[in-house]
Amino acid sequence: DTVLTQSPALAVSLGQRVTISCRASKSVSTYMHWYQQKSGQQPKLLIYSASNLESGVPSRFSGSGSGTDFTLTIDPVEADDIANYYCQQSNELPLTFGSGTKLEIK
Amino acid sequence: QVKLLQSGAELVKPGASVKLSCKTSGFTFSTSYMSWLKQVPGPSIEWIGWIYAGDGGTNYNQKFKGKATLTVDKSSSTAYMDLSSLTSEDAAVYFCARITTHGVYFDYWGQGVMVTVSS
Repeated sequence: DTVLTQSPALAVSLGQRVTISCRASKSVSTYMHWYQQKSGQQPKLLIYSASNLESGVPSRFSGSGSGTDFTLTIDPVEADDIANYYCQQSNELPLTFGSGTKLEIK
Repeated sequence: QVKLLQSGAELVKPGASVKLSCKTSGFTFSTSYMSWLKQVPGPSIEWIGWIYAGDGGTNYNQKFKGKATLTVDKSSSTAYMDLSSLTSEDAAVYFCARITTHGVYFDYWGQGVMVTVSS
């Protein structure tokens, strides 16, 4: 299985830029997607295929990367962005998710 | 608009089975792939499998073969997941989600249903 590794938590000040990383145990090309999950809610798709912004998602979210290293950037961070962020690969089955990065405000 | 409405929380005894439902609306269910996912506090997400509503064809994560069975009812645009022989390790929040038409990722999710396993 493709293992996706994320940092457990990040603390950032409002208005600043934050990058959340996801590293895959093998190349997934650009078959990487990002989700936001707020407490008690279902995940929400933010970025698909590494760098494509899902319709309706604010443009302060962006994604980049290919192969094994990917990043989700939020610039600027707003209070509403407090959530867990997950990467998911679809290069091979089974589909797998990272363990999530909790975004906290300093 | 697209909606995925899951059934309510379940409390089930060890060894029992449970059937979860996901009623959809707002899109053409019969040509869609529906998936189920498991989330345990931790808070990782695991993909259980998918089902193509058109013909009921399925693809399971090997880890969940024998544990989960996915079915659909096209007449009511509802997806189902049966979980069998439940143990404490099956206690989790389960989500249904639609797989997009453009790639194997999830554009709409149900609200999730908590399954508790306890005698």
